[in-house]
Amino acid sequence: AQSVAQPEDQVNVAEGNPLTVKCTYSVSGNPYLFWYVQYPNRGLQFLLKYITGDNLVKGSYGFEAEFNKSQTSFHLKKPSALVSDSALYFCAVRDGGYNKLIFGAGTRLAVHP
Amino acid sequence: KAGVTQTPRYLIKTRGQQVTLSCSPISGHRSVSWYQQTPGQGLQFLFEYFSETQRNKGNFPGRFSGRQFSNSRSEMNVSTLELGDSALYLCASSLGGTGGSYNEQFFGPGTRLTVL
Repeated sequence: AQSVAQPEDQVNVAEGNPLTVKCTYSVSGNPYLFWYVQYPNRGLQFLLKYITGDNLVKGSYGFEAEFNKSQTSFHLKKPSALVSDSALYFCAVRDGGYNKLIFGAGTRLAVHP
Repeated sequence: KAGVTQTPRYLIKTRGQQVTLSCSPISGHRSVSWYQQTPGQGLQFLFEYFSETQRNKGNFPGRFSGRQFSNSRSEMNVSTLELGDSALYLCASSLGGTGGSYNEQFFGPGTRLTVL
């Protein structure tokens, strides 16, 4: 079965510093991987996806993610964090041929001024 | 283009009652998926509808059901509510996507259901 793991419940970073939110995956076949962000009382917002191609994926709001097949990881990164980036971040993997997504437990990102 | 809308946004019910939640997808989108979000279990897939047919289902009891109408709007129903059904219910819409293709899913703001 497909699965993703987010090993950190919370990540704290100072504004202006680079940030990394970790995700590892376990899939059979080629993975379709995603990052979503959730702000309080809001639904999920799509950040980026990896399906095939370049291992470095660029997404919305200056976020990017690096697909690493040997380490089965798909870490989310941003060169310079903003206080407004503080939110709950979810990694997800597509399960099967349709639109079913399996989500990680989520990582709360706190960016301090 | 309007986003995914969900109604109602908040709902309070008592145990044993039933509830119906509604989701209107983005215009032109034919796939609607439903997810349950709770602090303990996280985000869990309920089911997906495409062109009025359920084509994927998660591991939830039969009390959870859904349907999709010809205009792609979808409803989910939970019968005989239990305290554990208290959650944020999210729906997501996309153009569709099968096999090797994938179309991005857009999520609505959710319906927060509280069961007392």
